[in-house]
Order: sequence, then C-alpha cells, then structure tokens
Amino acid sequence: EDQVTQSPEALRLQEGESSSLNCSYTVSGLRGLFWYRQDPGKGPEFLFTLYSAGEEKEKERLKATLTKKESFLHITAPKPEDSATYLCAVHPANTDKLIFGTGTRLQVFP
Amino acid sequence: ETGVTQTPRHLVMGMTNKKSLKCEQHLGHNAMYWYKQSAKKPLELMFVYNFKEQTENNSVPSRFSPECPNSSHLFLHLHTLQPEDSALYLCASRGTGGADTQYFGPGTRLTVL
Repeated sequence: EDQVTQSPEALRLQEGESSSLNCSYTVSGLRGLFWYRQDPGKGPEFLFTLYSAGEEKEKERLKATLTKKESFLHITAPKPEDSATYLCAVHPANTDKLIFGTGTRLQVFP
Repeated sequence: ETGVTQTPRHLVMGMTNKKSLKCEQHLGHNAMYWYKQSAKKPLELMFVYNFKEQTENNSVPSRFSPECPNSSHLFLHLHTLQPEDSALYLCASRGTGGADTQYFGPGTRLTVL
C-alpha cells in the first residue's frame, strides 16, 4: 500500500537554528515527490518536485533531497516567516492520485 | 485572476441546505481535483477530472456531487451534509504528462451546523 509518513509532527526552532524535516514513503513506482508549504487557513503552496534518488533542489533557506525511501527538507538558519506546516506527497505510478503525509508543523521563534 | 481561485472562501450551512463550491483555474491545465482537509488528517482526495471526464471517485458519499463543465471550471455540489463534513475543501489543477505539479487554490472553509 502506498504510504507517506512525516516526522516530527511538530518542530519548534529558535531563529537561526537549522534542522531537517523527514518524509518516509513506500510507493509502487515513484513518478515524483512533492513538498508544499501550508499557512493556516490557506491552500498548500508548491515548493519542490523531486523525481529520482540523489536529486536535490534549493530555494532560499530550503533544500530538499531524495533517496529511494525518504526525502528530507533541510531548513538553514530559519526565520519566523518560515513558520508553517510543511506537507510531503508522492505521486505513484499508474495513478492520478497524490498521497499526502500529515505534515510537520514548524514554528520558528525570534 | 491568476492560478487557482475558489469561491466562496467561507461557508456555513445547515444540514438541509444545498450549496455549491466553485473552482476556476487560469493555468491552462487539463486535470482538476477536489480534496478534503480535516484537522490532524492527511489531505483526502475526493474526485479527479481529466479533460472534463471523472477518472477518480475516492468512495465519496453521494451527498457530494462534482461537476466539471470544462477544463477550467470545477464545482462541488453539496446537499444534506453532516457536521462531520465540516472541513477545508481544496481544489487543485495539474498539467498532463509525467509527474506535473498540482497547484492548489486557497480553499473553502465549510462549517455544517
């Protein structure tokens, strides 16, 4: 069964304190892995798509990496405006569905 | 308007009411989706439309009725809902081919009294 597990469920960081969010997945053929950011009461905002193991993508303080079993979202020197819920999703082969994790709620304090 | 828009942004309805949610995408995509997001749960896929044809119905109760008149518009018709249907309803669209990204609208916060 296709499944996505994100950890930790919640993360509190001091401003400038770097950390990583984990997304573990099992999927029958991976077409893509996606990271989204979601602010309270809003729709998810696209961050990254990763297609194959070893791939990395960066955007400002965020860097996403992918292996055959998991993906990490590294946050370097976070700022309070990085506070949000970060969602991971996989697109299995032979389907039009995305399978989402429950997200990691990140709070960054000044 | 750009991206994916949804109206209304907030909706309060009684269990006997009939209402509709609207989604419009301005991205030239051909696939559109409805998701339900409840607290502490992953996003739940409800329906998928490709080129106006429904390709997924994720065992959604019949009190939710989707409609896709063209590739740019998607509706979710609601009737005789239950309080447990209160949630954030999200629309998304995607280009076709490969693992193209889904882009989400801002959502409709639905409260069923």
